[in-house]
Amino acid sequence: SQQGEEDPQALSIQEGENATMNCSYKTSINNLQWYRQNSGRGLVHLILIRSNEREKHSGRLRVTLDTSKKSSSLLITASRAADTASYFCATMNFGNEKLTFGTGTRLTIIP
Amino acid sequence: DAGVTQSPTHLIKTRGQQVTLRCSPKSGHDTVSWYQQALGQGPQFIFQYYEEEERQRGNFPDRFSGHQFPNYSSELNVNALLLGDSALYLCASSLLNYFSYNEQFFGPGTRLTVL
Repeated sequence: SQQGEEDPQALSIQEGENATMNCSYKTSINNLQWYRQNSGRGLVHLILIRSNEREKHSGRLRVTLDTSKKSSSLLITASRAADTASYFCATMNFGNEKLTFGTGTRLTIIP
Repeated sequence: DAGVTQSPTHLIKTRGQQVTLRCSPKSGHDTVSWYQQALGQGPQFIFQYYEEEERQRGNFPDRFSGHQFPNYSSELNVNALLLGDSALYLCASSLLNYFSYNEQFFGPGTRLTVL
């Protein structure tokens, strides 16, 4: 079963704009991770944020985590055509190392 | 340094047949996890292997079984294939750490089609 849901399911923006995706989950977590997937192939790890962190940055990526609302957001700044992909959030609970994925956001960057 | 590799890339089987998928973990990793991703969905956890034993299992029937070898590579076996088993099968490797959870590195996947 899916742990959470991403919102929106699909997003189209112009190149250079910022893209924001949201993720909600249901249970307490140890960490939350964001992955990118191009054309139904393997997943690329983008960033991990632990439950005691509120915000994290990596290059053009900014991730926030609100454990009280059980939600996270991924911001991609100054988008590029190469950012076109599906983005998934995945949670990891205390006591195990399995990742529970959301349903994904399909991001399209229009050149 | 090779990342996670999987074989084959694509596979077509018919209902009732059996299939074996293979995964070689990233160098230095000792844990392998398998995920099933149906079209348009997020990946779902099948099971995880560490020290040649199944460490955790998701909600998949016994038709799904696996193995880990001494060199940490792994196989996923699916018996009595159903149409609903058609999916992208992803392997992920990591280094087990009891004090902190580490990133899982994913392979490119095996696309299984059951006719």
